[in-house]
Amino acid sequence: AQSVAQPEDQVKVAEGNPLTVKCTYSVSGNPYLFWYVQYPNRGLQFLLKYITGDNLVKGSYGFEAEFNKSQTSFHLKKPSALVSDSALYFCAVRDIGANNLFFGTGTRLTVIP
Amino acid sequence: SAVISQKPSRDICQRGTSLTIQCQVDSQVTMMFWYRQQPGQSLTLIATANQGSEATYESGFVIDKFPISRPNLTFSTLTVSNMSPEDSSIYLCSVERSGRIDEQFFGPGTRLTVL
Repeated sequence: AQSVAQPEDQVKVAEGNPLTVKCTYSVSGNPYLFWYVQYPNRGLQFLLKYITGDNLVKGSYGFEAEFNKSQTSFHLKKPSALVSDSALYFCAVRDIGANNLFFGTGTRLTVIP
Repeated sequence: SAVISQKPSRDICQRGTSLTIQCQVDSQVTMMFWYRQQPGQSLTLIATANQGSEATYESGFVIDKFPISRPNLTFSTLTVSNMSPEDSSIYLCSVERSGRIDEQFFGPGTRLTVL
């Protein structure tokens, strides 16, 4: 069975500071890992993915995430937060052989001016 | 990327009625998915719809309540039948392009309120 945990419902950071949104996962094999962002009244937008290869993946809007197999984590990071980054962030996992994504509960990021 | 549109974008419905949500994609796709996002919660997969075959439903979802059609490679519908206030959610269509197993694109969602 696959599962995703986002331990923080909310994260608040000051503009210009680095941000981290945490995600841990559990799958039976090697995972496909994703981050999506949901802005108010809009659909989900793809940010980045880890399939294989380099553990540090870079995505849209300056975000990056690091895959850590030993800790089964895939934390989302950005060196300098913008107010416009304020949104709801979802971590998702897809087990090899499965067709669908399994989502975490989401983390609401607020960047304070 | 794939451009996905959904109709309607939102609706307010009466208890006991049914609503059909349409999902249109700008290119042919193999896999289409329907998700539900209840207020303040994460996304839950309702079913997977492949063209030419019956939809595959996840645990807790049944065809009588959420019938799905997939008449071609660019279009699908989800019907929410005999609605109750508990069906108030955002319903999202998602697609995966043929030959690309690693990325899914989501429609803007349909916000349903059942009174």
